[in-house]
Amino acid sequence: NAGVTQTPKFQVLKTGQSMTLQCAQDMNHEYMSWYRQDPGMGLRLIHYSVGAGITDQGEVPNGYNVSRSTTEDFPLRLLSAAPSQTSVYFCASSQDGSGGYTFGSGTRLTVV
Amino acid sequence: AQSVAQPEDQVNVAEGNPLTVKCTYSVSGNPYLFWYVQYPNRGLQFLLKYITGDNLVKGSYGFEAEFNKSQTSFHLKKPSALVSDSALYFCAVRAALYNQAGTALIFGKGTTLSVSS
Repeated sequence: NAGVTQTPKFQVLKTGQSMTLQCAQDMNHEYMSWYRQDPGMGLRLIHYSVGAGITDQGEVPNGYNVSRSTTEDFPLRLLSAAPSQTSVYFCASSQDGSGGYTFGSGTRLTVV
Repeated sequence: AQSVAQPEDQVNVAEGNPLTVKCTYSVSGNPYLFWYVQYPNRGLQFLLKYITGDNLVKGSYGFEAEFNKSQTSFHLKKPSALVSDSALYFCAVRAALYNQAGTALIFGKGTTLSVSS
């Protein structure tokens, strides 16, 4: 049982480039979320989904897009990377939000 | 507004002593509260949760947390700290969101626990 799998683990982008951070879970969880972690800021919610075809914005959605075409996958797209998007990104999933969320191991993104 | 506050950036404690990591919350309705731990260069690991019932919740690795509704607090505790407990600890609350009938976790900024031998 793999849990929540994030790829890649590390990425360096140039300003203006686009990329997709992948997140997949094999627990048939309905709820999935993307967070970014910055020093002293904790984890801030970027986008979340409560099921296939249903997504919405979190606290810091600007510059990011998501889609949820299947229950398993919840990719995060950076449209035009900026240095301010340098961060560690975590994907998480939960069956119904009332229990604990399972987190992936993170993607460390650097935008130069 | 729904929020979580962890008033201490860092907590220092000697091994064998009791530890407390503080958390207060603001949320509409009954709170669902969580504690997570993050070791260096790792993801977050679930420690414990409070949904309803006994105000003292027991979790992984000997940790427990006390829910206090009147003080809107959910402090993390351990009777005897270990050096291996040194890590970053996050308190979180399940928050009803924005435009959809769904929820996600809102996190505090984290508290670094340092246990000295």
